[in-house]
Amino acid sequence: AQSVTQLDSQVPVFEEAPVELRCNYSSSVSVYLFWYVQYPNQGLQLLLKYLSGSTLVKGINGFEAEFNKSQTSFHLRKPSVHISDTAEYFCAVSGIGSSASKIIFGSGTRLSIRP
Amino acid sequence: GAVVSQHPSRVICKSGTSVKIECRSLDFQATTMFWYRQFPKQSLMLMATSNEGSKATYEQGVEKDKFLINHASLTLSTLTVTSAHPEDSSFYICSARGQGRGSPLHFGNGTRLTVT
Repeated sequence: AQSVTQLDSQVPVFEEAPVELRCNYSSSVSVYLFWYVQYPNQGLQLLLKYLSGSTLVKGINGFEAEFNKSQTSFHLRKPSVHISDTAEYFCAVSGIGSSASKIIFGSGTRLSIRP
Repeated sequence: GAVVSQHPSRVICKSGTSVKIECRSLDFQATTMFWYRQFPKQSLMLMATSNEGSKATYEQGVEKDKFLINHASLTLSTLTVTSAHPEDSSFYICSARGQGRGSPLHFGNGTRLTVT
């Protein structure tokens, strides 16, 4: 079984400042990792995913994440945030397997951008 | 890209009635769909895995007789909340996983259910 921990429930950041949202996972098997963003009253949108290969993954909206196997982390970063980045961000993990493998979500981090 | 359509986006119903939520994969076939429930300011809780042509697999603690799932085709799964109660009020989100290993989940825009 897999689990995901997002230590920060809320992260306030000033506009144009860098941000890092932390994510740690645990699993007894190899995993795929994902970051999703949720805007109010909407579903989730995929930001980026790590399947294999390069540990630095670039996604949409200027976000990137780095897979660190030794630290079992997959932190999300953006060098300069905008007001429009205000949203809830979820880290997720899935065991490698069939398409029916469940994806487990972390508790989410609310990113609030201050002007 | 892969699109998942969920309908309705918002529904208000009276206690004791049933509500059906539809989830469609518009441009891909989804043999497996997932139904999540999200409470305010909380994460997504997986309710059940919907498999085309077979019975859904429910997570522990989820009443299968209350949350009926039907996956009649490769592009449609439905969730019916039967005999709804106010505590069933929540945000329900469906998702479908594309073909192939490592395919991410594609989400519908969710259904806000309010039971009065």
